[in-house]
Amino acid sequence: EAGVTQFPSHSVIEKGQTVTLRCDPISGHDNLYWYRRVMGKEIKFLLHFVKESKQDESGMPNNRFLAERTGGTYSTLKVQPAELEDSGVYFCASSFRGGLDIQYFGAGTRLSVL
Amino acid sequence: GNSVTQMEGPVTLSEEAFLTINCTYTATGYPSLFWYVQYPGEGLQLLLKATKADDKGSNKGFEATYRKETTSFHLEKGSVQVSDSAVYFCALSGGNNDMRFGAGTRLTVKP
Repeated sequence: EAGVTQFPSHSVIEKGQTVTLRCDPISGHDNLYWYRRVMGKEIKFLLHFVKESKQDESGMPNNRFLAERTGGTYSTLKVQPAELEDSGVYFCASSFRGGLDIQYFGAGTRLSVL
Repeated sequence: GNSVTQMEGPVTLSEEAFLTINCTYTATGYPSLFWYVQYPGEGLQLLLKATKADDKGSNKGFEATYRKETTSFHLEKGSVQVSDSAVYFCALSGGNNDMRFGAGTRLTVKP
């Protein structure tokens, strides 16, 4: 069974450009999470989907970030326009149930904004 | 709010040395505690967990005990191997999809 996959693994863009990150959760997992790790600091929660609905987006830093999960399968996270402080590693995770159910993580997308 | 503080790295050990990575937490209620590991080029993997006070999580020779009195969940291994080189993250969850992570500790084990 395939795990959580993220694409691309690394993206280098210039300030002001747009980048879209993609996450494919484990098949059958209704819960999908986005996290971000900036500059070697802690991994911070961004948002949580249950199927196609945003359950909690309290961690989204600002309105330059837009997450979607049309059809309740894969999810995209768009940053537009990107700023230097958006650089970091973006992780996606999925779980079958929410709450304390184990979250399975992807390898992350390393975003470098120059 | 809930938070996790873990020992800053990097940590460099020789093979077969004893490992301790400290983790303390602040939380309301009764959170569950986790250690995740990220090997080079891979995603975070759950290493072990404990869901209530005095529980001991263990896996692959690693152990951590949920200590409510000291609000700690220190990770230990008696004899590390080169293959244990990775970044280790302590995390907690209050059960409302509110996972909180520490900053991560990079461990390098030299032969």
